[in-house]
Amino acid sequence: EVQLVESGGGLVQPGGSLRLSCAASGFTFSSYWIHWVRQVPGRGLVWVSRITPDGDSTYYADSVKGRFTISRDNAKNTLYLQMNSLRAEDTAVYYCARGTAGKPGVDYWGQGTLVTVSS
Amino acid sequence: QTVVTQEPSLTVSPGGTVTLTCASSTGTVTSGYSPNWFQQKPGQAPRALIYSTSNKQYWTPARFSGSLLGGKAALTLSGVQPEDEAEYYCLLFHDGAPVFGGGTKLTVL
Repeated sequence: EVQLVESGGGLVQPGGSLRLSCAASGFTFSSYWIHWVRQVPGRGLVWVSRITPDGDSTYYADSVKGRFTISRDNAKNTLYLQMNSLRAEDTAVYYCARGTAGKPGVDYWGQGTLVTVSS
Repeated sequence: QTVVTQEPSLTVSPGGTVTLTCASSTGTVTSGYSPNWFQQKPGQAPRALIYSTSNKQYWTPARFSGSLLGGKAALTLSGVQPEDEAEYYCLLFHDGAPVFGGGTKLTVL
C-alpha cells in the first residue's frame, strides 16, 4: 500500500525556519517525482515544489523561490522541505504527493501537516 | 502569471449529470496541458481522479470521466451520488509548471 506521511509542521514566528519531512512507503521511492502542495485552510490547492527521482533537479513556485528548498534521501525513502524566512502567508497545510508514473500529474497524497507562521 | 479558472460552485440532483470545466488564462486547453482532476472532501487530503485528460486512476468510479470541451478541460459526473458532494480541483501543466484551479464546490441536492 502506497503511503506518504508528512511531519514537522507547527507554529513558527515570522522570519523563522522549519523543515518538513515526508516518509514514503509501499513503492519504489527513488523512481518517482515528488511534489509539495499547500492549502490555506478553507482555500484552494497551490503547487509549491517538485523534485526529480534522483534529486538532481528541483522546481519551485515563484512565491517560495529562494526561501524554500526541496530535497530527498532515497536511501531513507524520505522527502524534505526546508522552509526559511517564513511569512504569515506561508501558513497552510502542506501535502506531499507522488508524481504519476510516466505522466505529468499526481496520484497519491499524504494527509498533510499544518504550518502556522505567527508571532 | 498563469491563472486556471473553475466554476466556483455547481449544484446537481442525485442521479443527474454535471460537467465541471477548467480554463487557462493562456488560451485553449489541449492534451499537452495534461489535465488532472482531484476530489477533496472536508477534513481530508485530495484524492486523484483523472490524469492526462481522460485516464482514470484505478480507484476512480466509472461515473467520472475527463475530456476536452470547448477549449477547456472537463470533468463529467454521470449518475451523481450523494457521496460525490465535494470540492473538485483541476491541475494543468503550463510548459511543465503545475498550476491548480481555484476549485469547484459541488453540491448534491
